[in-house]
Amino acid sequence: AQSVTQLGSHVSVSEGALVLLRCNYSSSVPPYLFWYVQYPNQGLQLLLKYTSAATLVKGINGFEAEFKKSETSFHLTKPSAHMSDAAEYFCAVSDYSGNTPLVFGKGTRLSVIA
Amino acid sequence: GAGVSQSPSNKVTEKGKDVELRCDPISGHTALYWYRQSLGQGLEFLIYFQGNSAPDKSGLPSDRFSAERTGGSVSTLTIQRTQQEDSAVYLCASSPNMGGLGTEAFFGQGTRLTVV
Repeated sequence: AQSVTQLGSHVSVSEGALVLLRCNYSSSVPPYLFWYVQYPNQGLQLLLKYTSAATLVKGINGFEAEFKKSETSFHLTKPSAHMSDAAEYFCAVSDYSGNTPLVFGKGTRLSVIA
Repeated sequence: GAGVSQSPSNKVTEKGKDVELRCDPISGHTALYWYRQSLGQGLEFLIYFQGNSAPDKSGLPSDRFSAERTGGSVSTLTIQRTQQEDSAVYLCASSPNMGGLGTEAFFGQGTRLTVV
């Protein structure tokens, strides 16, 4: 069975500061990993995904994530936070077979302080 | 190029009533998911349809919950004898599920269910 743990239900950073949202996964087979973002009163949209190509994945809005197999991690980062980054962020895992559903973490709410 | 469409967007129902939530996936997507989003609980997996395979119902919280997918397209999530703890946003997603390309899911806007 696959699972995802997101450390920290709420992260607060100052505008211009580094954003780091943590995600650790558990999977018995090579995983596919995703970060989704949900802006206030909106649906979920894909931020970026890892599908076994490059371990450093770049996404929209300046976000990137690095797949580290040894640490079973897929942390999301952005060098400089912007006010518009305030949202809920979800990490998710699936596998290459397509026979298992996407499993999501509980989410991390990012607040950006001016 | 329509996305995933869910209806209704909001539903208020009395405790004990049955409700049906509808999802129209993106045309051609073989996989369809239902999730429930409650405050502080993240996205709780409910059920997963993949092509003609038997659905994965392992996430349904009780036998009051059921879902169908007709003709490999539209899906209906039914909640019988609703309880107040069923109040949540119900999200539907679809995916082309093309194996090696990664199973990215595209989400609808959700149905906000309130049981009073």
